[in-house]
Amino acid sequence: TQLLEQSPQFLSIQEGENLTVYCNSSSVFSSLQWYRQEPGEGPVLLVTVVTGGEVKKLKRLTFQFGDARKDSSLHITAAQPGDTGLYLCAGAGDSNYQLIWGAGTKLIIKP
Amino acid sequence: NAGVTQTPKFRILKIGQSMTLQCTQDMNHNYMYWYRQDPGMGLKLIYYSVGAGITDKGEVPNGYNVSRSTTEDFPLRLELAAPSQTSVYFCASSSPLGYSYNEQFFGPGTRLTVL
Repeated sequence: TQLLEQSPQFLSIQEGENLTVYCNSSSVFSSLQWYRQEPGEGPVLLVTVVTGGEVKKLKRLTFQFGDARKDSSLHITAAQPGDTGLYLCAGAGDSNYQLIWGAGTKLIIKP
Repeated sequence: NAGVTQTPKFRILKIGQSMTLQCTQDMNHNYMYWYRQDPGMGLKLIYYSVGAGITDKGEVPNGYNVSRSTTEDFPLRLELAAPSQTSVYFCASSSPLGYSYNEQFFGPGTRLTVL
Protein backbone atom coordinates (compact mmCIF):
# COMPACT_ATOMS: atom_id res chain seq x y z
CA THR A 1 0.00 0.00 0.00
CA GLN A 2 1.36 3.37 -1.00
CA LEU A 3 1.32 6.07 1.67
CA LEU A 4 2.27 9.73 1.78
CA GLU A 5 3.20 11.33 5.09
CA GLN A 6 3.15 15.09 5.48
CA SER A 7 4.95 17.05 8.13
CA PRO A 8 4.39 19.09 10.08
CA GLN A 9 0.67 18.55 10.56
CA PHE A 10 0.24 22.10 11.82
CA LEU A 11 2.38 25.23 11.54
CA SER A 12 1.68 28.71 12.83
CA ILE A 13 4.25 31.42 12.09
CA GLN A 14 4.55 35.19 11.80
CA GLU A 15 4.29 37.06 8.54
CA GLY A 16 7.68 37.39 6.85
CA GLU A 17 9.13 34.10 8.12
CA ASN A 18 10.20 31.23 5.88
CA LEU A 19 8.88 27.68 6.16
CA THR A 20 9.17 24.25 4.61
CA VAL A 21 6.53 21.52 4.42
CA TYR A 22 7.50 17.93 3.66
CA CYS A 23 5.78 15.06 1.89
CA ASN A 24 7.49 11.67 2.29
CA SER A 25 6.94 8.10 1.19
CA SER A 26 8.77 4.80 0.86
CA SER A 27 7.13 4.37 -2.55
CA VAL A 28 8.08 5.82 -5.91
CA PHE A 29 5.59 8.12 -7.61
CA SER A 30 5.42 8.93 -11.30
CA SER A 31 4.36 12.47 -10.42
CA LEU A 32 3.42 14.47 -7.38
CA GLN A 33 1.01 17.34 -6.98
CA TRP A 34 0.57 20.06 -4.38
CA TYR A 35 -2.84 21.57 -3.63
CA ARG A 36 -3.94 24.41 -1.37
CA GLN A 37 -7.33 24.39 0.30
CA GLU A 38 -8.83 27.47 1.89
CA PRO A 39 -11.56 27.19 4.54
CA GLY A 40 -14.94 26.30 3.06
CA GLU A 41 -13.56 25.56 -0.39
CA GLY A 42 -12.24 22.62 -2.38
CA PRO A 43 -8.52 22.02 -2.97
CA VAL A 44 -6.92 23.92 -5.83
CA LEU A 45 -3.91 22.59 -7.72
CA LEU A 46 -0.70 24.59 -7.25
CA VAL A 47 1.86 22.52 -9.14
CA THR A 48 2.75 19.11 -10.55
CA VAL A 49 6.33 17.80 -10.40
CA VAL A 50 7.31 14.90 -12.60
CA THR A 51 11.08 14.48 -12.90
CA GLY A 52 13.36 13.41 -10.05
CA GLY A 53 15.20 16.47 -8.71
CA GLU A 54 12.80 18.85 -10.42
CA VAL A 55 12.34 22.29 -8.88
CA LYS A 56 9.39 24.53 -9.72
CA LYS A 57 8.75 28.06 -8.49
CA LEU A 58 5.43 29.81 -8.12
CA LYS A 59 6.19 33.35 -6.93
CA ARG A 60 7.35 32.86 -3.29
CA LEU A 61 6.62 29.12 -3.31
CA THR A 62 9.33 26.63 -4.31
CA PHE A 63 8.47 22.98 -4.91
CA GLN A 64 11.02 20.20 -5.17
CA PHE A 65 10.66 16.55 -6.14
CA GLY A 66 13.21 14.20 -4.60
CA ASP A 67 15.82 12.59 -6.82
CA ALA A 68 14.29 9.15 -6.20
CA ARG A 69 10.74 10.48 -6.68
CA LYS A 70 9.74 9.33 -3.19
CA ASP A 71 9.47 12.69 -1.50
CA SER A 72 8.75 16.35 -2.10
CA SER A 73 8.99 19.65 -0.29
CA LEU A 74 7.26 23.00 -0.42
CA HIS A 75 9.22 26.03 0.72
CA ILE A 76 7.54 29.41 1.25
CA THR A 77 9.70 32.51 1.44
CA ALA A 78 8.51 35.55 3.39
CA ALA A 79 5.13 34.03 4.21
CA GLN A 80 2.07 36.26 4.01
CA PRO A 81 -1.39 35.93 5.62
CA GLY A 82 -2.76 35.04 2.19
CA ASP A 83 -0.69 31.84 2.30
CA THR A 84 -2.88 30.53 5.13
CA GLY A 85 -4.59 27.27 4.28
CA LEU A 86 -4.35 23.50 4.21
CA TYR A 87 -1.57 22.23 1.94
CA LEU A 88 -2.07 18.76 0.52
CA CYS A 89 0.33 16.62 -1.47
CA ALA A 90 -0.91 13.85 -3.75
CA GLY A 91 1.07 11.25 -5.66
CA ALA A 92 0.29 9.33 -8.83
CA GLY A 93 1.44 5.78 -8.25
CA ASP A 94 0.50 2.32 -9.41
CA SER A 95 -2.99 3.24 -10.54
CA ASN A 96 -3.70 5.63 -13.40
CA TYR A 97 -7.04 6.43 -11.86
CA GLN A 98 -6.30 7.36 -8.30
CA LEU A 99 -4.05 9.69 -6.41
CA ILE A 100 -2.49 8.86 -3.06
CA TRP A 101 -3.19 11.78 -0.69
CA GLY A 102 -1.25 13.05 2.26
CA ALA A 103 -3.16 14.12 5.39
CA GLY A 104 -2.23 17.77 4.87
CA THR A 105 -0.35 20.55 6.63
CA LYS A 106 -2.48 23.27 8.16
CA LEU A 107 -0.59 26.55 7.81
CA ILE A 108 -1.51 29.77 9.63
CA ILE A 109 0.38 32.98 8.90
CA LYS A 110 -0.19 35.64 11.54
CA PRO A 111 0.02 39.31 10.54
CA ASN B 1 -16.90 27.36 -17.62
CA ALA B 2 -18.44 26.62 -14.24
CA GLY B 3 -15.98 23.74 -13.63
CA VAL B 4 -17.27 21.33 -10.99
CA THR B 5 -20.52 22.23 -9.26
CA GLN B 6 -22.04 20.52 -6.23
CA THR B 7 -25.44 20.77 -4.61
CA PRO B 8 -26.51 21.25 -1.90
CA LYS B 9 -23.85 23.26 -0.03
CA PHE B 10 -25.18 22.31 3.38
CA ARG B 11 -27.54 19.62 4.63
CA ILE B 12 -28.66 18.26 7.98
CA LEU B 13 -30.04 14.71 8.00
CA LYS B 14 -31.61 12.63 10.70
CA ILE B 15 -30.26 9.14 11.35
CA GLY B 16 -31.75 6.70 8.85
CA GLN B 17 -32.69 9.28 6.23
CA SER B 18 -31.36 9.12 2.68
CA MET B 19 -30.16 11.76 0.27
CA THR B 20 -28.35 12.31 -3.01
CA LEU B 21 -25.42 14.67 -3.38
CA GLN B 22 -25.27 16.09 -6.89
CA CYS B 23 -22.09 16.72 -8.88
CA THR B 24 -21.77 18.10 -12.40
CA GLN B 25 -18.70 19.03 -14.44
CA ASP B 26 -18.60 20.89 -17.75
CA MET B 27 -14.98 20.18 -18.69
CA ASN B 28 -15.72 16.93 -20.56
CA HIS B 29 -13.50 15.04 -18.11
CA ASN B 30 -13.69 11.28 -18.22
CA TYR B 31 -12.67 10.68 -14.61
CA MET B 32 -14.77 11.73 -11.63
CA TYR B 33 -14.30 11.16 -7.90
CA TRP B 34 -16.10 11.47 -4.60
CA TYR B 35 -14.07 12.21 -1.48
CA ARG B 36 -14.94 12.86 2.12
CA GLN B 37 -12.90 15.09 4.39
CA ASP B 38 -13.26 14.90 8.14
CA PRO B 39 -12.20 17.87 10.31
CA GLY B 40 -8.44 18.47 10.22
CA MET B 41 -7.88 15.50 7.94
CA GLY B 42 -6.98 14.85 4.34
CA LEU B 43 -9.16 13.33 1.64
CA LYS B 44 -10.52 9.80 1.61
CA LEU B 45 -11.75 8.38 -1.69
CA ILE B 46 -15.31 6.98 -1.58
CA TYR B 47 -15.99 6.06 -5.22
CA TYR B 48 -14.61 6.94 -8.60
CA SER B 49 -15.61 6.61 -12.25
CA VAL B 50 -13.45 6.42 -15.35
CA GLY B 51 -16.32 7.05 -17.73
CA ALA B 52 -20.06 6.86 -18.20
CA GLY B 53 -21.38 3.52 -16.99
CA ILE B 54 -18.17 2.60 -15.14
CA THR B 55 -17.75 3.05 -11.39
CA ASP B 56 -15.54 1.48 -8.75
CA LYS B 57 -15.04 1.54 -5.01
CA GLY B 58 -12.43 3.66 -3.32
CA GLU B 59 -11.06 3.48 0.20
CA VAL B 60 -14.30 4.07 2.17
CA PRO B 61 -17.34 3.00 0.07
CA ASN B 62 -19.56 1.48 2.79
CA GLY B 63 -22.87 3.30 3.19
CA TYR B 64 -22.65 5.00 -0.20
CA ASN B 65 -23.65 4.31 -3.78
CA VAL B 66 -22.92 6.04 -7.08
CA SER B 67 -24.03 6.00 -10.69
CA ARG B 68 -22.59 7.56 -13.85
CA SER B 69 -25.11 7.69 -16.67
CA THR B 70 -23.53 10.69 -18.41
CA THR B 71 -20.03 12.17 -18.70
CA GLU B 72 -21.17 15.30 -16.85
CA ASP B 73 -22.98 13.92 -13.79
CA PHE B 74 -21.79 11.75 -10.91
CA PRO B 75 -24.32 11.68 -8.03
CA LEU B 76 -23.49 10.15 -4.63
CA ARG B 77 -26.30 8.42 -2.77
CA LEU B 78 -26.34 8.02 1.01
CA GLU B 79 -28.70 5.32 2.25
CA LEU B 80 -29.65 5.09 5.93
CA ALA B 81 -27.54 8.01 7.09
CA ALA B 82 -25.41 7.48 10.20
CA PRO B 83 -23.56 10.00 12.44
CA SER B 84 -20.27 8.57 11.11
CA GLN B 85 -21.17 10.05 7.71
CA THR B 86 -21.01 13.59 9.09
CA SER B 87 -18.31 15.13 6.93
CA VAL B 88 -17.57 17.47 4.04
CA TYR B 89 -17.98 15.78 0.67
CA PHE B 90 -16.00 16.86 -2.37
CA CYS B 91 -16.54 15.89 -5.98
CA ALA B 92 -13.60 16.14 -8.37
CA SER B 93 -12.89 15.48 -12.02
CA SER B 94 -9.81 14.94 -14.15
CA SER B 95 -8.69 13.86 -17.55
CA PRO B 96 -5.38 11.98 -17.19
CA LEU B 97 -4.65 11.46 -20.84
CA GLY B 98 -1.68 12.46 -22.92
CA TYR B 99 0.57 14.84 -21.01
CA SER B 100 -1.83 15.35 -18.12
CA TYR B 101 -0.90 13.85 -14.76
CA ASN B 102 -4.39 13.36 -13.31
CA GLU B 103 -4.57 16.89 -11.94
CA GLN B 104 -7.92 17.03 -10.23
CA PHE B 105 -10.44 19.87 -10.23
CA PHE B 106 -12.66 20.10 -7.18
CA GLY B 107 -16.13 21.37 -6.47
CA PRO B 108 -16.85 23.64 -3.48
CA GLY B 109 -18.05 20.78 -1.28
CA THR B 110 -21.21 19.71 0.54
CA ARG B 111 -21.16 19.97 4.33
CA LEU B 112 -23.33 17.17 5.74
CA THR B 113 -24.36 16.71 9.35
CA VAL B 114 -26.20 13.58 10.52
CA LEU B 115 -27.98 13.93 13.85
